[in-house]
Amino acid sequence: EAQVTQNPRYLITVTGKKLTVTCSQNMNHEYMSWYRQDPGLGLRQIYYSMNVEVTDKGDVPEGYKVSRKEKRNFPLILESPSPNQTSLYFCASSQGQGLSYEQYFGPGTRLTVT
Amino acid sequence: GQSLEQPSEVTAVEGAIVQINCTYQTSGFYGLSWYQQHDGGAPTFLSYNALDGLEETGRFSSFLSRSDSYGYLLLQELQMKDSASYFCAVRDNYGQNFVFGPGTRLSVLP
Repeated sequence: EAQVTQNPRYLITVTGKKLTVTCSQNMNHEYMSWYRQDPGLGLRQIYYSMNVEVTDKGDVPEGYKVSRKEKRNFPLILESPSPNQTSLYFCASSQGQGLSYEQYFGPGTRLTVT
Repeated sequence: GQSLEQPSEVTAVEGAIVQINCTYQTSGFYGLSWYQQHDGGAPTFLSYNALDGLEETGRFSSFLSRSDSYGYLLLQELQMKDSASYFCAVRDNYGQNFVFGPGTRLSVLP
């Protein structure tokens, strides 16, 4: 089954404790992306990757890091989480970077930073 | 910069037709997409318009007017399962990153 998986689905952590949210896709997609979703603000792109070892900042990259060492994986790293990073996070992938390419979203990770 | 505007909420009854509007401002334009998201779920792709006009996919249609920087999603024969949030999205930064609108919450009443 074609899918994007994220882990963990739920996470409660404390300020400053480094964490990683994993994202994996099994569709051999080139383009992968991370979004955060907050009420009234829609989905905001954090980072994206057009291929292995190629990553770039989206609209809200501060406080986040990513890496793309393999085509299928695109982990999101919070080196020192803060309460304003409490949010719902989605990973997505698509065959290409064009808007015409459907983005497939993972199930989401709900993060709470206290 | 870029910005997209959508109404925050729309309410309609089963069987009706509803239109969800989206206006955008971008530094470059590469088309307009629509996504649906049910409560607790992930966004799913509905449609894409690169050129002016109407694109129809079953009960859903999407329209684009590039000269007006405006598009809409048209949902016909509304069903209860259409209750969800709907987001328009564009590409920016020379087409590399995606920008989503704030979303429109559609409530379908019996």
